[in-house]
Amino acid sequence: GQQVKQSSPSLTVQEGGILILNCDYENDMFDYFAWYKKYPDNSPTLLISVRSNVDKREDGRFTVFLNKSGKHFSLHITASQPEDTAVYLCAAGASSSFSKLVFGQGTSLSVVP
Amino acid sequence: EAAVTQSPRNKVAVTGGKVTLSCNQTNNHNNMYWYRQDTGHGLRLIHYSYGAGSTEKGDIPDGYKASRPSQENFSLILELATPSQTSVYFCASGDGGGNTLYFGAGTRLSVL
Repeated sequence: GQQVKQSSPSLTVQEGGILILNCDYENDMFDYFAWYKKYPDNSPTLLISVRSNVDKREDGRFTVFLNKSGKHFSLHITASQPEDTAVYLCAAGASSSFSKLVFGQGTSLSVVP
Repeated sequence: EAAVTQSPRNKVAVTGGKVTLSCNQTNNHNNMYWYRQDTGHGLRLIHYSYGAGSTEKGDIPDGYKASRPSQENFSLILELATPSQTSVYFCASGDGGGNTLYFGAGTRLSVL
């Protein structure tokens, strides 16, 4: 079964707006959570990540919120820009050297003028 | 300089043929991974490796083999390619432990 799930296959937001991308996971052992960004015909790159010892991490316009009891984490993007248009992949894993990262299905985001 | 290099970038194969996808990393990472990307499925892990000589099955290993002959190189092998294996394949390297994965540019494979 899908261990990491993204609820929205696609989202559209107006330039300058705020948007929230959501991700749910199943494995209690996961303690590392990340969001990757992927442009068409490009490789995924890490956008932001957080470990389970905190429930929030902010980096400029991007903030990750973690709700461990609800097995849920989200990415908040403020002041949306056209260059934010991309596929966003959430990922979760256990922070051991022998861990693997499990990705969600991806959310295709469009920022329109 | 690309630290994770995949070859070929594009490949057309015939059903039943053998396909080898290659990946080379200069990050000196212990772990390497092969994912495939399909619409509606995100990235799904096929095989991964903790170091030279080791290979582990990921979430969707059926129909695929992997080989890690050295720290730098990790190959994905389709012994008998099928049309359902038409996809974009990404190789990645990382140190595990919740550290960043660095992806190659991807290989677009079409099996006809």
